[in-house]
Amino acid sequence: ELKVEQNPLFLSMQEGKNYTIYCNYSTTSDRLYWYRQDPGKSLESLFVLLSNGAVKQEGRLMASLDTKARLSTLHITAAVHDLSATYFCAVDMIRDDKIIFGKGTRLHILP
Amino acid sequence: EAGVAQSPRYKIIEKRQSVAFWCNPISGHATLYWYQQILGQGPKLLIQFQNNGVVDDSQLPKDRFSAERLKGVDSTLKIQPAKLEDSAVYLCASSSLGRGPLQETQYFGPGTRLLVL
Repeated sequence: ELKVEQNPLFLSMQEGKNYTIYCNYSTTSDRLYWYRQDPGKSLESLFVLLSNGAVKQEGRLMASLDTKARLSTLHITAAVHDLSATYFCAVDMIRDDKIIFGKGTRLHILP
Repeated sequence: EAGVAQSPRYKIIEKRQSVAFWCNPISGHATLYWYQQILGQGPKLLIQFQNNGVVDDSQLPKDRFSAERLKGVDSTLKIQPAKLEDSAVYLCASSSLGRGPLQETQYFGPGTRLLVL
């Protein structure tokens, strides 16, 4: 059974600091997604990672994928208040027709 | 480009009542997904359509949930009868290519927030 674990689940940090959110999954996957969700809002796609070693960056966010370790990271550089949100990773197993989301990391950036 | 539309935005019903949600995906998107997101959790995929055919409904509680996409465009999700544990946000998403080998992004609608009393 595919399991997706994110940590930490809650994170409060100061503006200007760097931090990393981790997404571990239990079996081989075909692709991995990162999404952002603001309170009361829907999900916004951030990154789609397809292959081992994939790295994508958008602004202060950088996502990477290590399929051998079954690990993806979302790194935040010099955090700003606008990045406060809940971040979800989701693992897609096309062969089994499964998309499983993690529980999300609630990020609060203090001004 | 218009996004994914959903209605209603909010619904309050009593347990054992029926409810239906509607979704209109982005024009031209062949793939449509319904997710259930319980407060404090990640979304759970309920059903995926490719055009008007079902690709994956393994996590859909078929004794009470049903969904259709008759003309391969908009879709409805129904719950009959509702239970207290169905209280959640129901998200609809669409994508143009489906879950093939190419990079693909899902676009989510605003969701329907359901409260079952």
